[in-house]
Amino acid sequence: DQQVKQNSPSLSVQEGRISILNCDYTNSMFDYFLWYKKYPAEGPTFLISISSIKDKNEDGRFTVFLNKSAKHLSLHIVPSQPGDSAVYFCAASGRSGGSNYKLTFGKGTLLTVNP
Amino acid sequence: GAVVSQHPSWVICKSGTSVKIECRSLDFQATTMFWYRQFPKQSLMLMATSNEGSKATYEQGVEKDKFLINHASLTLSTLTVTSAHPEDSSFYICSATGGVKGSPLHFGNGTRLTVT
Repeated sequence: DQQVKQNSPSLSVQEGRISILNCDYTNSMFDYFLWYKKYPAEGPTFLISISSIKDKNEDGRFTVFLNKSAKHLSLHIVPSQPGDSAVYFCAASGRSGGSNYKLTFGKGTLLTVNP
Repeated sequence: GAVVSQHPSWVICKSGTSVKIECRSLDFQATTMFWYRQFPKQSLMLMATSNEGSKATYEQGVEKDKFLINHASLTLSTLTVTSAHPEDSSFYICSATGGVKGSPLHFGNGTRLTVT
């Protein structure tokens, strides 16, 4: 049972345009969401996160939007750059009661930014 | 930023042998470390959670006698794949947290295990 779903395995975007990566979740206990970027043969690198008390978090070119009622979040990258080409993983956790948590990951979306 | 070092980055072993993978937090004390496994084109699947000084908590379906986890110090956790078989070939990734609320997990670079 996939609790975190990234339904688009790949996305191709032109340099300078906006990249929108989508993620859906089913577990209503999730209250913290993260996006990680991963290059081949490397571990994931943290990009940006959002708590369920917010609906938007912005960091430079990266913005994450959360729609709790729809159990949907998205990562916007603008403007997209060729160096953004990587696999992007959406992850979620339920952190009620403690600071240590485990993440449930989606399958990832391969983003290709064409020059 | 926080750095997690994982070693080795790749290993090839023969079926029936055991392989140890190390995960170190280099500039923070990792109260909790997580071990993930990733198959091609799949998500990262959590295998187990280890807290320093206590037994690891394994996810459903993960054999604790096959995947031995030791978290003997606040900076080191090890995963030993015992009696490896070809189906154990995968990409293993560790992550660590210092336990500070709101801090994201930091991941190692992963270990590519190939069992022949």
